[in-house]
Amino acid sequence: GEDVEQSLFLSVREGDSSVINCTYTDSSSTYLYWYKQEPGAGLQLLTYIFSNMDMKQDQRLTVLLNKKDKHLSLRIADTQTGDSAIYFCAESTGGATNKLIFGTGTLLAVQP
Amino acid sequence: DAGITQSPRHKVTETGTPVTLRCHQTENHRYMYWYRQDPGHGLRLIHYSYGVKDTDKGEVSDGYSVSRSKTEDFLLTLESATSSQTSVYFCATLTWGEGHGNEQFFGPGTRLTVL
Repeated sequence: GEDVEQSLFLSVREGDSSVINCTYTDSSSTYLYWYKQEPGAGLQLLTYIFSNMDMKQDQRLTVLLNKKDKHLSLRIADTQTGDSAIYFCAESTGGATNKLIFGTGTLLAVQP
Repeated sequence: DAGITQSPRHKVTETGTPVTLRCHQTENHRYMYWYRQDPGHGLRLIHYSYGVKDTDKGEVSDGYSVSRSKTEDFLLTLESATSSQTSVYFCATLTWGEGHGNEQFFGPGTRLTVL
């Protein structure tokens, strides 16, 4: 079945770049997403990438997609303490219902 | 922000009691979803709705039922709560974006504890 995997924890220093990785199994994924969850809050969509793209940049965020290896990454440049949160990748095959399959989440801890 | 509210935000209940969680949205989005979040599992889809009175099961639907009698409200019911249903429950709605991926907006969550 569909599966999405992420490493559980990443620690970086403020000002450094963070790279959060994700692998997925469903080759028919149409959209891939990155969500951010701050403590006690719901999920907030950060960015997404369509499966026919290799890269997408949005201000400090860069998403790289290697469709052959089914590998997705999120790079956060100049990481700030406010970036500390859990980051989820999710895949969708699109369609009418747009059901999402989420990874387990990566806790990003930014040290001052 | 899709104007999604969930109630209650926190609930403690006993095994065997029925529980209903409510999700309310103000954006007239057609699609609505219920997820549960547990450590080590991320978010898993319980049920979803693609219109009034139109619902379908997700990957972890056992022990849960849903109803949608109005566009704005999506109810999740645990007929007889069990300790394994202790979790944080999130509601989401879907908007179709122009020229970009379909975005799901999430509510703030309901923390349910079943003793």
